Amino acid sequence: DGGITQSPKYLFRKEGQNVTLSCEQNLNHDAMYWYRQDPGQGLRLIYYSQIVNDFQKGDIAEGYSVSREKKESFPLTVTSAQKNPTAFYLCASSIADYNEQFFGPGTRLTVL
Amino acid sequence: EDQVTQSPEALRLQEGESSSLNCSYTVSGLRGLFWYRQDPGKGPEFLFTLYSAGEEKEKERLKATLTKKESFLHITAPKPEDSATYLCAVQPVGGGTSYGKLTFGQGTILTVHP
Repeated sequence: DGGITQSPKYLFRKEGQNVTLSCEQNLNHDAMYWYRQDPGQGLRLIYYSQIVNDFQKGDIAEGYSVSREKKESFPLTVTSAQKNPTAFYLCASSIADYNEQFFGPGTRLTVL
Repeated sequence: EDQVTQSPEALRLQEGESSSLNCSYTVSGLRGLFWYRQDPGKGPEFLFTLYSAGEEKEKERLKATLTKKESFLHITAPKPEDSATYLCAVQPVGGGTSYGKLTFGQGTILTVHP
């Protein structure tokens, strides 16, 4: 079964901690993306990667970091510098950067 | 800056009552307009891509249309299982770091009562 998996589904973070959200895809897609979704707002792009070992900042990259060492994996680290990290985080992938994007099930991060 | 506005914010329908959702957009050059469905607590599910004015696409009770300024998602004889948030997004033409970037609207929450 091809698809995108995200883990964990729920994540709780104490203030001052860094946490890493996992995103894996077995669709053989080149491009991968991280979005943040807050209530009543549209999805906002955090980072995206068009190919392995390359990534670009999106609209709200401050306080986040990513890596793309493998085609199928695009982990997102939420650092302590992110002032308001409580949100629903969505990972997506597409065949190339101009095709439709397919989303994973999401990770809900809550700061305690 | 690309902008997407969806209306209404929320729509309540009776089962079988057809209606339309609107997505108005401003983009320097449109490469594609995308519709997604999102159930509570889940990731968006891809529905349609529209590329040019006049294009239409259908899937079951849903039909998406596109003009130069807006897109409509028509829902014919909806059922309770059509209840979800419907998201619209635009993708601009061009290269560089903005290539492939989607700008999303805030969504329309559709509730269909039996």
